[in-house]
Amino acid sequence: DTAVSQTPKYLVTQMGNDKSIKCEQNLGHDTMYWYKQDSKKFLKIMFSYNNKELIINETVPNRFSPKSPDKAHLNLHINSLELGDSAVYFCASSQVAGTGFSSNTIYFGEGSWLTVV
Amino acid sequence: GDSVTQMEGPVTLSEEAFLTINCTYTATGYPSLFWYVQYPGEGLQLLLKATKADDKGSNKGFEATYRKETTSFHLEKGSVQVSDSAVYFCALNRDDKIIFGKGTRLHILP
Repeated sequence: DTAVSQTPKYLVTQMGNDKSIKCEQNLGHDTMYWYKQDSKKFLKIMFSYNNKELIINETVPNRFSPKSPDKAHLNLHINSLELGDSAVYFCASSQVAGTGFSSNTIYFGEGSWLTVV
Repeated sequence: GDSVTQMEGPVTLSEEAFLTINCTYTATGYPSLFWYVQYPGEGLQLLLKATKADDKGSNKGFEATYRKETTSFHLEKGSVQVSDSAVYFCALNRDDKIIFGKGTRLHILP
């Protein structure tokens, strides 16, 4: 059983299109995330949700809109795709630990490789 | 703010060589520290972690010791294998936001 699963794994689409990436976790975690990994492998958080509520929203264009229908799902919708959106997008989840440092492990999905042409 | 710095790659070693990947952190307080690994074409997996000073995390022959005095968490393995070829990320977790280093790509030659 995959703990954090995201679909699709590969997505090739044209500039200007709208696309969604879906994510589901079966770990019973309260917190879910979206991370973006660029071509140099640098990972940066985009969003986090705690029990369907937006907690972290980094400086991300408003073309990106996360949606959490329930605490086990966090989908990412991207409008008007641009070439620079090409990246690997990782969904992740963890138990919430509140503020401060946490020892909680964050579990990642296998990634969605988005290519905008 | 909090940050993680790890050695630039790529690191290329022969099979059975000794591996060290350096990682240092900057943070107010004492974070838990993690090493994640990303094999080619895959997502990130937790490799090991340490939650307090002098703790040693270990897994799959890899070890890292949390050194508060040097704010470091270097990853070591005594004898690497071709299958260890991957990108390794050092990280800390604050406010449920994991902060990654830039990753170190490791190539192991047979």
